[in-house]
Amino acid sequence: KAGVTQTPRYLIKTRGQQVTLSCSPISGHRSVSWYQQTPGQGLQFLFEYFSETQRNKGNFPGRFSGRQFSNSRSEMNVSTLELGDSALYLCASSWGQADYGYTFGSGTRLTVV
Amino acid sequence: GDSVTQMEGPVTLSEEAFLTINCTYTATGYPSLFWYVQYPGEGLQLLLKATKADDKGSNKGFEATYRKETTSFHLEKGSVQVSDSAVYFCAPLQRGGADGLTFGKGTHLIIQP
Repeated sequence: KAGVTQTPRYLIKTRGQQVTLSCSPISGHRSVSWYQQTPGQGLQFLFEYFSETQRNKGNFPGRFSGRQFSNSRSEMNVSTLELGDSALYLCASSWGQADYGYTFGSGTRLTVV
Repeated sequence: GDSVTQMEGPVTLSEEAFLTINCTYTATGYPSLFWYVQYPGEGLQLLLKATKADDKGSNKGFEATYRKETTSFHLEKGSVQVSDSAVYFCAPLQRGGADGLTFGKGTHLIIQP
């Protein structure tokens, strides 16, 4: 059974550019969540999508956005990149009921220079 | 919002030692509680969970009991192995997952042979 797949694994972007990260959830999972992990702030919740609709949102600026497609795959976009956006971005999928827990991907390491 | 307190470490133990990683949380209502583990260069893996008071989650020799009175969810293992070296995260999740998982800073565990 395939796990959660995130692409690309590593990314280097220049300040001011935009970036799109991709996440393919486990087959059958309808919920996809995104988290940002940095040494200073730890793991922080970005947003969650369920059946193509944003269900929950963390406390991040509007430069961070996402979407979910009909096959449950999700993309996250960050516009006007800042140095502080350098982080490991983790995607997690779930059946849809939060109590089941989430399965995380290996993450995309974004470096902004 | 919710918050989690856990020792950051590093916590260094010898192989076969007894492990306790404390976790206390503040949350409204009665969240589900999770422990996740992150091995170097990887995403997070669900280790165990508990969804109501007095529930005990267990997996791979690890255990944690949902203590509503003390709002705690301490992780224990009777005999640790070198392969248990990783970062461990405690995370409550509110019903409906409105704010996503709230992670502690993580406890870096090092097991020496």
